[in-house]
Amino acid sequence: QKEVEQNSGPLSVPEGAIASLNCTYSDRGSQSFFWYRQYSGKSPELIMFIYSNGDKEDGRFTAQLNKASQYVSLLIRDSQPSDSATYLCAVKDDKIIFGKGTRLHILP
Amino acid sequence: GAVVSQHPSRVICKSGTSVKIECRSLDFQATTMFWYRQFPKQSLMLMATSNEGSKATYEQGVEKDKFLINHASLTLSTLTVTSAHPEDSSFYICSARDPLIQGAFFGQGTRLTVV
Repeated sequence: QKEVEQNSGPLSVPEGAIASLNCTYSDRGSQSFFWYRQYSGKSPELIMFIYSNGDKEDGRFTAQLNKASQYVSLLIRDSQPSDSATYLCAVKDDKIIFGKGTRLHILP
Repeated sequence: GAVVSQHPSRVICKSGTSVKIECRSLDFQATTMFWYRQFPKQSLMLMATSNEGSKATYEQGVEKDKFLINHASLTLSTLTVTSAHPEDSSFYICSARDPLIQGAFFGQGTRLTVV
């Protein structure tokens, strides 16, 4: 059974700080990795994707991938209250496998 | 990012009736679409994978005769909840896989209430 694991949280981070979200996956052959943000009552929104080891930056978001350790992380710099949401890690296999998500709460 | 449109966004139906939900990829062709269900404060649950021109693949425990999926074109998949019951009330979300990035974009979701 291929799995994607995330800490369910909630993760509380003060406004302006860096929020760090982590994810591990079981299939060493996975090649494509995604982060989604889901606000309560809404559908998930794709915010980052990463294929290669290392960092990928997009605005305040940085995705980090380490295939040797089978983990992918998402950093959110200068956290804002509007970043409060559930963040889903996903890995592409023949399907797209989602973690259960980490609830992030930015404290004003 | 790519746009996936899901309709309707909200529907209330009587117990025993059927409801059809549409999912369209507006700016890319999606050979694969996915249907999820999500109960309040719970994670996404994959119901089925819809492949254009072939039968859908259902996850274990999902009744294929109750949740009919049709993927007749590269831009449209439909989910029909047949003989709906109150326990079918949930948030149904479709997603379509963008062949360019291999990631999935989600529709807005459909909140189904069966009374």
